[in-house]
Amino acid sequence: AQTVTQSQPEMSVQEAETVTLSCTYDTSESDYYLFWYKQPPSRQMILVIRQEAYKQQNATENRFSVNFQKAAKSFSLKISDSQLGDAAMYFCAYRSAYQDKLIFGTGTRLQVFP
Amino acid sequence: GAVVSQHPSWVICKSGTSVKIECRSLDFQATTMFWYRQFPKQSLMLMATSNEGSKATYEQGVEKDKFLINHASLTLSTLTVTSAHPEDSSFYICSATRQGRGQETQYFGPGTRLLVL
Repeated sequence: AQTVTQSQPEMSVQEAETVTLSCTYDTSESDYYLFWYKQPPSRQMILVIRQEAYKQQNATENRFSVNFQKAAKSFSLKISDSQLGDAAMYFCAYRSAYQDKLIFGTGTRLQVFP
Repeated sequence: GAVVSQHPSWVICKSGTSVKIECRSLDFQATTMFWYRQFPKQSLMLMATSNEGSKATYEQGVEKDKFLINHASLTLSTLTVTSAHPEDSSFYICSATRQGRGQETQYFGPGTRLLVL
């Protein structure tokens, strides 16, 4: 069975600085998708970024980028130029290419200080 | 975009009553809809997966007769919590995947807070 591990329950960053959130996963499959979702205090889950496992190039969305290391089964999220609005819970998620389900990590709470 | 709505956003009910939560995909047709439950400061727990016109697939440990799911159309799924009890109080979130390209991505509704007194 696949698992997703987020080893950092909490992280903090100063506004305008850069922070990296860690995520590792375990799978025997070669075809899958990885996601980072953000859940602010409103509790609305917002897609931040997604990565297809077959793509070697790391995904980027504006200030958000990932470091996808397939062999190491690592999928970290880098937030550049952090803003106060980035404060939220961040969930890493795995989806097999063969199943609909998302498997979530336990989340990392990010605090942003002015 | 891919907008998913939920109604109601919050509900308070008496123990023993049933509560229905609607999940709608507003600007796309959803091949599959998912229902999650989230306890405070915890991750999302998948309850069931539903496809339009077929029976929902429930996760292990989720009572089918307690949490009734109906997926009547490609844009609407409902979750009914039957004979609700205080332990059913939680935050319920739905999500949907769209047909075609990008169908692996789940788009989430804003959630429904349920409080059973």
